[in-house]
Amino acid sequence: AQKITQTQPGMFVQEKEAVTLDCTYDTSDPSYGLFWYKQPSSGEMIFLIYQGSYDQQNATEGRYSLNFQKARKSANLVISASQLGDSAMYFCAMRERGDQFYFGTGTSLTVIP
Amino acid sequence: ETGVTQSPTHLIKTRGQQVTLRCSSQSGHNTVSWYQQALGQGPQFIFQYYREEENGRGNFPPRFSGLQFPNYSSELNVNALELDDSALYLCASSLGEYTEAFFGQGTRLTVV
Repeated sequence: AQKITQTQPGMFVQEKEAVTLDCTYDTSDPSYGLFWYKQPSSGEMIFLIYQGSYDQQNATEGRYSLNFQKARKSANLVISASQLGDSAMYFCAMRERGDQFYFGTGTSLTVIP
Repeated sequence: ETGVTQSPTHLIKTRGQQVTLRCSSQSGHNTVSWYQQALGQGPQFIFQYYREEENGRGNFPPRFSGLQFPNYSSELNVNALELDDSALYLCASSLGEYTEAFFGQGTRLTVV
């Protein structure tokens, strides 16, 4: 079974609008971390936001927020007030007990002026 | 910038050759991991080093090997290169469990 599933290969959003990128995960470990990374065409993976499995509140970092629904095993990324520079690939990832990162297949986001 | 640097940024090798990729981790980070990202895919875990010892390995053959040095920098070695080894190779450093990893800009390897 896939550890991380991203079902949206590509998404479009109007500049200044909000967009939600979907992510579901699969684990039997009670302790885990969920992450979102942005990968521009240059290739570098840029860390955006982190949510721990025991965190009670949804994580927020500036324009990024993580909609964490533990019972549904979902960790959707919400980007508010989209900017042209947000156009990139976005990867959801999970880490269990200091182990490797499991990445999804990514969502390509295009921000339209 | 993340403080993680990889060299070289681009590389072209012939099938059957050997290659060494290098990574300088972020200061103080004792864990380094390597990922292979094929075109259009998410990164796939190759292996991880913690304080110079390999402490995790993905589904990659033994011709993928690595080292971590006392200053926590790392190398990825690939022997007997195959065409399917063409990919972006990413190095990531982190400190502690569940923490975020910081990635380098990657090395784009092309095998011809």
